[in-house]
Amino acid sequence: DSGVTQTPKHLITATGQRVTLRCSPRSGDLSVYWYQQSLDQGLQFLIQYYNGEERAKGNILERFSAQQFPDLHSELNLSSLELGDSALYFCASSLLGQGRIGGYTFGSGTRLTVV
Amino acid sequence: AQSVTQPDIHITVSEGASLELRCNYSYGATPYLFWYVQSPGQGLQLLLKYFSGDTLVQGIKGFEAEFKRSQSSFNLRKPSVHWSDAAEYFCAVGEEDQAGTALIFGKGTTLSVSS
Repeated sequence: DSGVTQTPKHLITATGQRVTLRCSPRSGDLSVYWYQQSLDQGLQFLIQYYNGEERAKGNILERFSAQQFPDLHSELNLSSLELGDSALYFCASSLLGQGRIGGYTFGSGTRLTVV
Repeated sequence: AQSVTQPDIHITVSEGASLELRCNYSYGATPYLFWYVQSPGQGLQLLLKYFSGDTLVQGIKGFEAEFKRSQSSFNLRKPSVHWSDAAEYFCAVGEEDQAGTALIFGKGTTLSVSS
């Protein structure tokens, strides 16, 4: 157990629907990062939150949004889902913004399948 | 912009043989470099990291990596591969420690181990 908890582990939904992925960071970590992993694109950085504030944005679609709550857990919202959104979504956490201490700690991911 | 290239998509090594996985990065300043391993159905686990100092870094599971600034490389090595090392390996690069940055990952190298 890495200490980063992601739920659900698997999600199957239809095109056009909206889903919410949840991440609880490792105890003491202030930053949460969301990544999308697909076969063709590899690991793509989506967005980072640090202590409740958005700090960096990557290749995140406008249909996607995220937030980090006061208890530091984070949610990634994916709406108007398309077949191409099917992927493994990872959350990672670190103590500081860049993860100087030990790098990121990753959760085990949420596998999203859009049908 | 930062980028990471892992030239080898798939490598097969005999059990007991040595291993070298290549990683080249593009970054202007001194990068923070990482190697992660991902087993099937799992999240990413940190193998080792380089921030500064000795250019040969030791990691977990008997892995080591060498930072060569002149070649912009950070290759991962292991003297004797075990069947349990079969997995996907990711090289990543990051900036100096400050909030608002994120690790950029290579597309990964899949390692198969033959008996």
